[in-house]
Amino acid sequence: KQEVTQIPAALSVPEGENLVLNCSFTDSAIYNLQWFRQDPGKGLTSLLLIQSSQREQTSGRLNASLDKSSGRSTLYIAASQPGDSATYLCAGIFNAGNMLTFGGGTRLMVKP
Amino acid sequence: NAGVTQTPKFRVLKTGQSMTLLCAQDMNHEYMYWYRQDPGMGLRLIHYSVGEGTTAKGEVPDGYNVSRLKKQNFLLGLESAAPSQTSVYFCASWGTEYQETQYFGPGTRLLVL
Repeated sequence: KQEVTQIPAALSVPEGENLVLNCSFTDSAIYNLQWFRQDPGKGLTSLLLIQSSQREQTSGRLNASLDKSSGRSTLYIAASQPGDSATYLCAGIFNAGNMLTFGGGTRLMVKP
Repeated sequence: NAGVTQTPKFRVLKTGQSMTLLCAQDMNHEYMYWYRQDPGMGLRLIHYSVGEGTTAKGEVPDGYNVSRLKKQNFLLGLESAAPSQTSVYFCASWGTEYQETQYFGPGTRLLVL
């Protein structure tokens, strides 16, 4: 059974700081790894998707990397802003399956 | 193009009551999913469907039933609600391409008293 872990569960940083969110997984047979953002009381918004043949994806101030051999993905947020405050979830599809396995999320607070 | 919609947005039930949550998607996706999210936890898969007329169990299927009579709709039923089913329920759909994300609905908050 695949497991996806996100540490820390919560993170508080001052505005302007660059930060890294971590995601680890136990199964190297990963087909894609996705990062989602969830605002309080809202649904999930897809941020970045990395296919197994890729090593990273970038969108604006966000950069996500994937290292299958070590079972790790990171989400890098540059020059953080209070509007980045949200819960960030990583999830992967493994073994040519058809379902996402989610981590528990990291709740990020960016203080003005 | 509404994406994925869920009905209702919020519901309060008494223990033992039944209800059905409706998910609809307009992207012609084959795959649809029901997840639940509890405080401090990620999403856990309840049931899913790989096409019209098919359903399969996920990680936490007990106490729930589903039906996919039409490709665009996926229904989640609670026959006899229990307080442990208090949660936020999310529906998602997927077009089966690994370079494409799953699309999520806005969620249904369910409180079982």
